[in-house]
Amino acid sequence: DVKVTQSSRYLVKRTGEKVFLECVQDMDHENMFWYRQDPGLGLRLIYFSYDVKMKEKGDIPEGYSVSREKKERFSLILESASTNQTSMYLCASSGESKGLAGVPGELFFGEGSRLTVL
Amino acid sequence: SQKIEQNSEALNIQEGKTATLTCNYTNYSPAYLQWYRQDPGRGPVFLLLIRENEKEKRKERLKVTFDTTLKQSLFHITASQPADSATYLCALSLLEVTGGGNKLTFGTGTQLKVEL
Repeated sequence: DVKVTQSSRYLVKRTGEKVFLECVQDMDHENMFWYRQDPGLGLRLIYFSYDVKMKEKGDIPEGYSVSREKKERFSLILESASTNQTSMYLCASSGESKGLAGVPGELFFGEGSRLTVL
Repeated sequence: SQKIEQNSEALNIQEGKTATLTCNYTNYSPAYLQWYRQDPGRGPVFLLLIRENEKEKRKERLKVTFDTTLKQSLFHITASQPADSATYLCALSLLEVTGGGNKLTFGTGTQLKVEL
């Protein structure tokens, strides 16, 4: 069974702390994504990666960075957490090919990490 | 700006009826459209993908239509059941010219409640 695993389901952090959210997939997928989900705003793309050590900004990258040192792992980093980063964070992966020829196959999502910044 | 609209009000229907959910978009020319189901506290789960040159796609009790002229997709669940109660998200994909990865942009979702 395909699986995307997020390291923590619930986190509580203080303003200014550095936060790491880890995501691991076991499907050998090239593409990995980080979204945040807020009521009334839906899922918004923060960053994505289509290969090891490659990263692309999504729609709301400010205040975040990412790391992809290995194909199966994609980490989201909040350098200095702020209260407006309180949210549900969802990691996803997809295995379709890159570029113009690629079909955006289904995204496989993790269970989410609910982060509260106090 | 680019926008995807789904009815923010919950849709309540009786068991056995057909549920129809709407996804409208503006300023996009999507190549593909996907529908996902999301249960409370869980990540979304993929249901169906439809391409711009396809008018309709079916999977068991699910049917999706894609009208690029109206800029609208309709998602139907026939013979609905209480277990179909969830939030349903539509997502659009624009083929990426550079970088690959084929980003998906999501609507805010519509909550469906199927009552006995």
